[in-house]
This record gives sequence, structure tokens and C-alpha cells, in this order.
Amino acid sequence: RKEVEQDPGPFNVPEGATVAFNCTYSNSASQSFFWYRQDCRKEPKLLMSVYSSGNEDGRFTAQLNRASQYISLLIRDSKLSDSATYLCVVSGSGSARQLTFGSGTQLTVLP
Amino acid sequence: DAGVTQSPTHLIKTRGQQVTLRCSPKSGHDTVSWYQQALGQGPQFIFQYYEEEERQRGNFPDRFSGHQFPNYSSELNVNALLLGDSALYLCASIGTSGYNEQFFGPGTRLTVL
Repeated sequence: RKEVEQDPGPFNVPEGATVAFNCTYSNSASQSFFWYRQDCRKEPKLLMSVYSSGNEDGRFTAQLNRASQYISLLIRDSKLSDSATYLCVVSGSGSARQLTFGSGTQLTVLP
Repeated sequence: DAGVTQSPTHLIKTRGQQVTLRCSPKSGHDTVSWYQQALGQGPQFIFQYYEEEERQRGNFPDRFSGHQFPNYSSELNVNALLLGDSALYLCASIGTSGYNEQFFGPGTRLTVL
């Protein structure tokens, strides 16, 4: 079983749609949680951190459920520029706080 | 303020050869992590360097080694290259204020023929 599992995708949605990504993680000792965005052939960039209380950044809302080890990302009013691969990421409890990535979910927003 | 830089951007090698990849962290960052991203997969942690020493290592063989210099820049060395080593190699820079954000460089795309 992978440490971080995501919806396999790909997701193809029309502009203006709402899309949700889900992710589960296996290590209950994980300390921090993130969503990264990766454009084609580019490096991953932090989209947002995820907190137990849930957090929102404009059209993006992230939720964390530690009890069920589940992370989600909701994108409202999708834009063409949202097309990318979304990576669910957890940070370990060791001194290096290494990042463990899911395989990513590809999103294409269609005009 | 320059971000994380990596060199070279692309590299083609043949099986059995050795390769060295380089990374310069963001100004003020003292910790560097290396990741390997195979096509269609998320990045996988190789190791992290702090204070010129390897602090933690992922599940990679000893063919993968590294170094950190006093100016915090880092090298990743891979010996006896295999076809399966073809991937995007990413360097992440971490500041002294904590680990909430790791800044990634543009990566080096390695192709092993």
C-alpha cells in the first residue's frame, strides 16, 4: 500500500465547475499536510497547507481529518489556469520532515 | 532574491556511467533535500543535507550519494547508472524558520540510454 494515495484521475471539467480531490495517508504520525501544484514539466509549487480546522484560500478549500487520515481539496469556479497536476503531500515526524507525495491527480479545465 | 537553482537542466547518459547534479538553495536557506520524480509519479525523497552532513535518507541504494558545501549548495551523485534512474531530479530548499514550505528548483531531467 502506498503511503499517500490519491484519486487516479484524470479529471476533465468545464470552466466554472467545482472539482474535489481526495487523498488518504497511512502514517498516523504524519505531522504536516499540503497540496502542491505541478505544471507540465515544471517543479512542484506549494498551493496550500492543510489544517485540521480546514482552511480556505480564495477558490480553494482544504480539509484534513486526522481520525480517518483523509485530506481533501475543493476548487470552486474552475479556471483554465487551474489545469495542472495536484499532489497530496504529507510531512514525516523525523528530523528531516521529509515530504511524501501522492502520485498526483491531473486536472484539465476545458473552455 | 534568486530562488533555488539547479544545473544542468537536461542530461543524457548511458548505462554504467556516473552523473553529478548541482543545486543552490534560496538565499538564507541552509538545508537541501533531493527528490527523484519518475514519469507519472510523485517525487520520492532521496536524502537531506544539513550542516554538510546527510541527515536522513530515503529508500535509495548507495549508488546515490551527495554532498553539501559550506555555502549550503549541494551535489547529488549517481554511480553505475541504470535505465530506471531516468527521471526528473528535484532539489528542495528549506529555510531556518521551519518546514512549512520547501521551495523546489526547476529540476534536472536525466535520461539514461
